[in-house]
Amino acid sequence: AQSVTQLDSQVPVFEEAPVELRCNYSSSVSVYLFWYVQYPNQGLQLLLKYLSGSTLVKGINGFEAEFNKSQTSFHLRKPSVHISDTAEYFCAVSHTGGFKTIFGAGTRLFVKA
Amino acid sequence: ETGVTQSPTHLIKTRGQQVTLRCSSQSGHNTVSWYQQALGQGPQFIFQYYREEENGRGNFPPRFSGLQFPNYSSELNVNALELDDSALYLCASTTTGDYNSPLHFGNGTRLTVT
Repeated sequence: AQSVTQLDSQVPVFEEAPVELRCNYSSSVSVYLFWYVQYPNQGLQLLLKYLSGSTLVKGINGFEAEFNKSQTSFHLRKPSVHISDTAEYFCAVSHTGGFKTIFGAGTRLFVKA
Repeated sequence: ETGVTQSPTHLIKTRGQQVTLRCSSQSGHNTVSWYQQALGQGPQFIFQYYREEENGRGNFPPRFSGLQFPNYSSELNVNALELDDSALYLCASTTTGDYNSPLHFGNGTRLTVT
């Protein structure tokens, strides 16, 4: 069975500082990995995805993530955050032949001025 | 292209009642999934519909049911509501067979059961 663990429930950071949101997954088959962002009172929107190929994936709003198969991780990074990045971030996994995407519990990123 | 739209945005029901939530999929998408997001948690998969049939289900009881219509709009029905059913219900659409294709979410329906 697949599972996703987001290691931090909350990450406070000052504006313009770098940030890393950690995600680990478990699966017995090849996976596809995603990061989604959820702003208050909204649905989720895609930040970036890893399907295959280069392990470093770039997404919207300056975010990037690195797929590490040996460590089964897919950590999200941004070199300099803005107040507007304050939101809930979800790591998610799906796989070939699967019909569902499994989400982690989320990490609340709080950017302080 | 039109995005995923859900209605209503908020709903208050009493324990034991029944509720129907509605979703209009993104244009060109014929697969719809429903998720339950409890407060402070990630979305939990309820079920998925393709061509008007359920083709995958999560760990939810039968009182959670759904429909998908020929125009790819869909409904989530919940019978005999319980207090723990209070949550944000999210509808997400994608294209057939593209399990590596990202989900396109609506803004959700906030259900409160009292």
